[in-house]
Amino acid sequence: QQPVQSPQAVILREGEDAVINCSSSKALYSVHWYRQKHGEAPVFLMILLKGGEQKGHDKISASFNEKKQQSSLYLTASQLSYSGTYFCGTDTGNQFYFGTGTSLTVIP
Amino acid sequence: DTEVTQTPKHLVMGMTNKKSLKCEQHMGHRAMYWYKQKAKKPPELMFVYSYEKLSINESVPSRFSPECPNSSLLNLHLHALQPEDSALYLCASSQGRILNYGYTFGSGTRLTVV
Repeated sequence: QQPVQSPQAVILREGEDAVINCSSSKALYSVHWYRQKHGEAPVFLMILLKGGEQKGHDKISASFNEKKQQSSLYLTASQLSYSGTYFCGTDTGNQFYFGTGTSLTVIP
Repeated sequence: DTEVTQTPKHLVMGMTNKKSLKCEQHMGHRAMYWYKQKAKKPPELMFVYSYEKLSINESVPSRFSPECPNSSLLNLHLHALQPEDSALYLCASSQGRILNYGYTFGSGTRLTVV
């Protein structure tokens, strides 16, 4: 029931783009995205509600394909501050699970 | 106030000790949560309080005992813990059980059981 994220880890140079995928085996009410820096709490980035929407702010955006029960997080022109572990979270309406996590490292 | 405050930030306790973790929010959120997170793993849900009533207990051992004295406070009482209970304990809140606005997490309590 835990959503699966891919890739597990990615290393980028500043300015490069990345895509993180989240896939669920259950029908979803919403998908959340969080970023957690080492030793800190997860920080909420955005939520996508069912309806197949795409959201974004600044250079981080996400899409939600309700039929495929998948979501993708897009990071463009990455900055050093983007480093951390990214978790998707899937809400089936009855249960919420965090995904397996993607470690993203941005190097100069 | 847009924060969830957790105390203490660090806690070392013996297996025979009794201790409590505290969590406070003043955002008017009506759902509060305890999560446990091991290193390099996603957070795992332990307890959910909705309108001050325990609504979900994810089969957590009885050595963990939650308490919600009022809509702003959440405690986690710890007794006779095991070394494998060492982890980061996160408190979170949301506007309601329907997570349309996401979680707001506290900074966590890093617990070490010796």
